[in-house]
Amino acid sequence: AQSVSQHNHHVILSEAASLELGCNYSYGGTVNLFWYVQYPGQHLQLLLKYFSGDPLVKGIKGFEAEFIKSKFSFNLRKPSVQWSDTAEYFCAVTSYSSASKIIFGSGTRLSIRP
Amino acid sequence: NAGVTQTPKFRVLKTGQSMTLLCAQDMNHEYMYWYRQDPGMGLRLIHYSVGEGTTAKGEVPDGYNVSRLKKQNFLLGLESAAPSQTSVYFCASSPAGKTQETQYFGPGTRLLVL
Repeated sequence: AQSVSQHNHHVILSEAASLELGCNYSYGGTVNLFWYVQYPGQHLQLLLKYFSGDPLVKGIKGFEAEFIKSKFSFNLRKPSVQWSDTAEYFCAVTSYSSASKIIFGSGTRLSIRP
Repeated sequence: NAGVTQTPKFRVLKTGQSMTLLCAQDMNHEYMYWYRQDPGMGLRLIHYSVGEGTTAKGEVPDGYNVSRLKKQNFLLGLESAAPSQTSVYFCASSPAGKTQETQYFGPGTRLLVL
């Protein structure tokens, strides 16, 4: 069965620090990968997505993620975080065999110290 | 466009009571989804719909029923609420079943079952 693992449950950083949030998925076929963000009190919104082409994907607000197929990973990165990046981040995957379903990871809560 | 809206925003139920959560989207999307979000467990798919008049079970369908009588609306029903159904419920929609399509989320409904 498909699954998505986010091993970091809560990450605390200072402003200007670099960020990398891990995401690993288990599925052998062709997948599409997403990062969603949920700011405090708000609904989820798309940060970035990968479905083909360049494995380095750039999203909004300076975020990027790299798809490494051999490692089944899609880690999220940002070179310099801001206090406004405080949020919960969810990695998600869909596959061509289950086009209507998206599997979410358990989420990583990011807290930025001003 | 309002996007995806959910009614109500917050509700308290007693065990055994019933209620219906309403999701509406004005983007003419074909696919609609109901998720529940629980701490440390990310989002789990309850039911989804690939078009008007169709519904299908997701990962955690027990205790819930859904209906999609109109394309723009997707209702989630709890026939006999249980404390285990205390959660935040999110509705989402997407243009079609293509795996790379972004899902658009509503603001959520916070449900407390006593």
